[in-house]
Amino acid sequence: DEQLVESGGGLVQPGGSLRLSCAASRFVLSDYWMSWVRQVPGKGLEWVAHVNQDGSETRCVDSVKGRFTISRDNAKKSLFLQMNNLRVEDTAIYYCARGGYRFDLWGQGTLVTVSS
Amino acid sequence: EIVLTQSPGTLSLSPGERATLSCRASRNVDNNRITWYQQKPGQAPRFLIHDAYIRAAGIPDRFSGSGSGTDFTLIIRRLEPEDFAVYFCQQYATLPITFGHGTRLEIK
Repeated sequence: DEQLVESGGGLVQPGGSLRLSCAASRFVLSDYWMSWVRQVPGKGLEWVAHVNQDGSETRCVDSVKGRFTISRDNAKKSLFLQMNNLRVEDTAIYYCARGGYRFDLWGQGTLVTVSS
Repeated sequence: EIVLTQSPGTLSLSPGERATLSCRASRNVDNNRITWYQQKPGQAPRFLIHDAYIRAAGIPDRFSGSGSGTDFTLIIRRLEPEDFAVYFCQQYATLPITFGHGTRLEIK
């Protein structure tokens, strides 16, 4: 089956950085836009950022602008989210999702906790 | 941004009954670009319906979507035990992409 597997989450202090990775398997990553979507446990979903097939076009939600960067390496079948200057309110499960606008395949998520 | 309001917050029904879930947008959703997802505890969302009414691959036909403009509906006919979950709507007509806060469908 087609699969997305996230990694890189963990506990970080406010102001710190993390880099999330998402490994794609059993489909051609370069055919798809890709996104990151986050969810505070037990709460709703929030789109974070997306990137087009070759990485030349990216957009993100205002709350992460200037702090988060989405990127990809199609040769390595991977998607990334570089998160800098993290805030307590960034605490969430971060999902990698296939698609730029609607999301037909999701990873299992990786938990990011921002706390002192 | 387009704000999506889902109602009810919680819906209590029995297996075999019909569920009607509502998603109302704060302004018109161009081309009815609405998607519905199902999420069970501890799992990622599952893609159910896109463009308001088109079922994703492998989704049973007891799931159906409808609506246009600002009002959209997900109907689940003849509820099965595995259908009890949280359902989210999402719009992708305008950035930022936004989600509703979800409707929890629980067993009565």
